[in-house]
Amino acid sequence: ETGVTQTPRHLVMGMTNKKSLKCEQHLGHNAMYWYKQSAKKPLELMFVYSLEERVENNSVPSRFSPECPNSSHLFLHLHTLQPEDSALYLCASSQGQAPAGTPTDTQYFGPGTRLTVL
Amino acid sequence: AQSVAQPEDQVNVAEGNPLTVKCTYSVSGNPYLFWYVQYPNRGLQFLLKYITGDNLVKGSYGFEAEFNKSQTSFHLKKPSALVSDSALYFCAVRPKGSGAGSYQLTFGKGTKLSVIP
Repeated sequence: ETGVTQTPRHLVMGMTNKKSLKCEQHLGHNAMYWYKQSAKKPLELMFVYSLEERVENNSVPSRFSPECPNSSHLFLHLHTLQPEDSALYLCASSQGQAPAGTPTDTQYFGPGTRLTVL
Repeated sequence: AQSVAQPEDQVNVAEGNPLTVKCTYSVSGNPYLFWYVQYPNRGLQFLLKYITGDNLVKGSYGFEAEFNKSQTSFHLKKPSALVSDSALYFCAVRPKGSGAGSYQLTFGKGTKLSVIP
């Protein structure tokens, strides 16, 4: 798990707060992903970046704003969230390059940030 | 669009017994198939994947999975379960091809495996 790190591991925020989640990968990969994991639901892909360019945005509300300053770092900026946004947010990375990566790529996940919105 | 079904929310097995966690998929054309495991308060860990070739794929921690094209299944198996195998298991599928979205993994809802001492 040390290949992909996420901070913080736990976050509690009010609906009016602004916070950011950070992900860093040490695997030399070119693609990074944000997923949302809610109880009893499949993992939901939120964003995909490949070589620092966003290649996928799965109809995610604008209160979630991703940023990828370089191929090793990925951020998820949060503002005016709702209680239903409480979930485990997982970051992943894979070797693939733009625009679609290599289908045989394996995605490697970080430990996640447990977000609670009050 | 591709989809994955894990028909069992929970599987209980006695330690030392063989275990099977079921997965069926729906995808246009041939699939790439993956299994991941998630321990409590941890991220997903890659176990194994099927790309092509031998239908029996061997992975980490003694797990294996068998690709069955006619039944569109990719069940995860282990000959002898350990208590430490207790975790949440996810099957995922990705279609073959290089178009947009081919990097996108579609996950099942997960199966909780409990190995009883």
